[in-house]
Amino acid sequence: NAGVTQTPKFQVLKTGQSMTLQCAQDMNHEYMSWYRQDPGMGLRLIHYSVGAGITDQGEVPNGYNVSRSTTEDFPLRLLSAAPSQTSVYFCASSYRGDRALWGGEQYFGPGTRLTVT
Amino acid sequence: AQSVSQHNHHVILSEAASLELGCNYSYGGTVNLFWYVQYPGQHLQLLLKYFSGDPLVKGIKGFEAEFIKSKFSFNLRKPSVQWSDTAEYFCAVPYSGAGSYQLTFGKGTKLSVIP
Repeated sequence: NAGVTQTPKFQVLKTGQSMTLQCAQDMNHEYMSWYRQDPGMGLRLIHYSVGAGITDQGEVPNGYNVSRSTTEDFPLRLLSAAPSQTSVYFCASSYRGDRALWGGEQYFGPGTRLTVT
Repeated sequence: AQSVSQHNHHVILSEAASLELGCNYSYGGTVNLFWYVQYPGQHLQLLLKYFSGDPLVKGIKGFEAEFIKSKFSFNLRKPSVQWSDTAEYFCAVPYSGAGSYQLTFGKGTKLSVIP
């Protein structure tokens, strides 16, 4: 198993450009999430998905779009990049199972470091 | 939504010193609590978790945490730290507004262990 993979590892964008951060998992997990990590802010939830075709907003969704057409893939789109979106982006997945028995473990990808100039 | 706060931004210890990192959570009914660790250049990994039962939870690499309901706390401890424990540590709770399978993280505590 490759686990959770993310591409690219690094990206530099100019203000106003758009791009898609890719995330894939091969563990057949129903739940997938995108977080951004900023110094002193911890990780903040951007968007999440509870299964193919179902997505919802997290704490900081503005400026980002997601879709989930398959169980495996959960891309994050930046519509018009801004310097405030300079961050490290982590994708994570989790199995669904019985909520009462949920282990709580999110499996994280290696991250994408994005700089917007 | 539930939230967590971590008291220390950066902790510096010598090897063999004891560690305690603070975490307080907001009340929100059933409590599930987690500690994650991020080693330099790596992604987050689950260190330990509390769902119910024994309030003293043991995790990997000799870490433990104690759930104290009366204090809304879930502090992380290790009796003797090693240089390899240098990392950033995050306390987390379920993000209740997201169906509880996603997490809300504290701002993190950087631990630097000096050989």
